[in-house]
Amino acid sequence: SQQGEEDPQALSIQEGENATMNCSYKTSINNLQWYRQNSGRGLVHLILIRSNEREKHSGRLRVTLDTSKKSSSLLITASRAADTASYFCATDYNNAGNMLTFGGGTRLMVKP
Amino acid sequence: DTGVSQDPRHKITKRGQNVTFRCDPISEHNRLYWYRQTLGQGPEFLTYFQNEAQLEKSRLLSDRFSAERPKGSFSTLEIQRTEQGDSAMYLCASSFSLAIGELFFGEGSRLTVL
Repeated sequence: SQQGEEDPQALSIQEGENATMNCSYKTSINNLQWYRQNSGRGLVHLILIRSNEREKHSGRLRVTLDTSKKSSSLLITASRAADTASYFCATDYNNAGNMLTFGGGTRLMVKP
Repeated sequence: DTGVSQDPRHKITKRGQNVTFRCDPISEHNRLYWYRQTLGQGPEFLTYFQNEAQLEKSRLLSDRFSAERPKGSFSTLEIQRTEQGDSAMYLCASSFSLAIGELFFGEGSRLTVL
């Protein structure tokens, strides 16, 4: 079974708009990570937020973490067509070996 | 830095045949992971190695699956007597144990069992 659940499962927006994806998880975590996957390719790490952090920024990405609600959100600002991909949250809950548990992903389509 | 490489990228086989996938991690990484991803789903953890030791195996890894990392460098994942349900993308990732953080993924090996 998968630890995280992303919402929405699919998102379609126009270029220039912001995209927000949410992730909920079930157990206590050490950190939460977001990955991106282009169709048919491997996953690429985007950002990591530790359990004692509430917000983190990286370029056009903003991640928030609410451990009381066991949820996280990924905001992509000023989206581009090249941002079209699937986005996955992954939780590290045992801190023993970076054994990440992934959610089902949000499929983002950015229309030019 | 050549990244994580996987071979083959695509494999089509008939049910009942054995297949083997190879993963070459980033050279300085001592941890290596195998994940399986079916269409429209997130990756599911299969197993991981620290150096040559296999430290964790998922219940998804049935008796028909075996993974090795004999010299603590490259790894192989073998599936015996393949079934149609084994059709998936098999992803390899690596990391360095002293670094809490990201996994570096390969491009995956896509298996189709006819």
